[in-house]
Amino acid sequence: EADIYQTPRYLVIGTGKKITLECSQTMGHDKMYWYQQDPGMELHLIHYSYGVNSTEKGDLSSESTVSRIRTEHFPLTLESARPSHTSQYLCASSELGDKTGNTIYFGEGSWLTVV
Amino acid sequence: QKEVEQNSGPLSVPEGAIASLNCTYSDRGSQSFFWYRQYSGKSPELIMSIYSNGDKEDGRFTAQLNKASQYVSLLIRDSQPSDSATYLCAVKGSWGKLQFGAGTQVVVTP
Repeated sequence: EADIYQTPRYLVIGTGKKITLECSQTMGHDKMYWYQQDPGMELHLIHYSYGVNSTEKGDLSSESTVSRIRTEHFPLTLESARPSHTSQYLCASSELGDKTGNTIYFGEGSWLTVV
Repeated sequence: QKEVEQNSGPLSVPEGAIASLNCTYSDRGSQSFFWYRQYSGKSPELIMSIYSNGDKEDGRFTAQLNKASQYVSLLIRDSQPSDSATYLCAVKGSWGKLQFGAGTQVVVTP
């Protein structure tokens, strides 16, 4: 069972507010990810990190930003939330390297609603 | 063409029957293949991983890989209502990047 935690699980916030979604993992994984998924739709990678001080943009353009100051922590920030940001945000992690066993493990997700 | 393709479904399966899910991928150099299950409103959870051609069995689940045909499948035997979910195929390509399919929705009917 994966030890990856996301807070808050559910958030309703007004337009223009700044929000930070927290993600922490206790597995010592170097690589971490943020995916965005609308209900019934496919996963889209929006950010990933190979390790401390490494952040990369994913396949889907996002107005959010991320930081990786500690190995276990990978927060996602929206400076000014808009209704179009309403979605589920999934944090994930995996070991670094090209080993075939590098499975991605997901947190429980953060549901964001911007009104 | 998407890098990982799955039929979106829904795939309706009678309880106790075998559910067969298919996935094709475009990167011939892909080496790692994963099946995730995602219940509605929940996050994906890993069911199976497979790296070599052939079959891999784990309980009621069997993954089948054919790299020559760029095809990976998942069989669910003795399907139960609790198997009703969306099943995501994920493929780690030759560049080390994991690509997810859009998922196949499975509905097991009593």
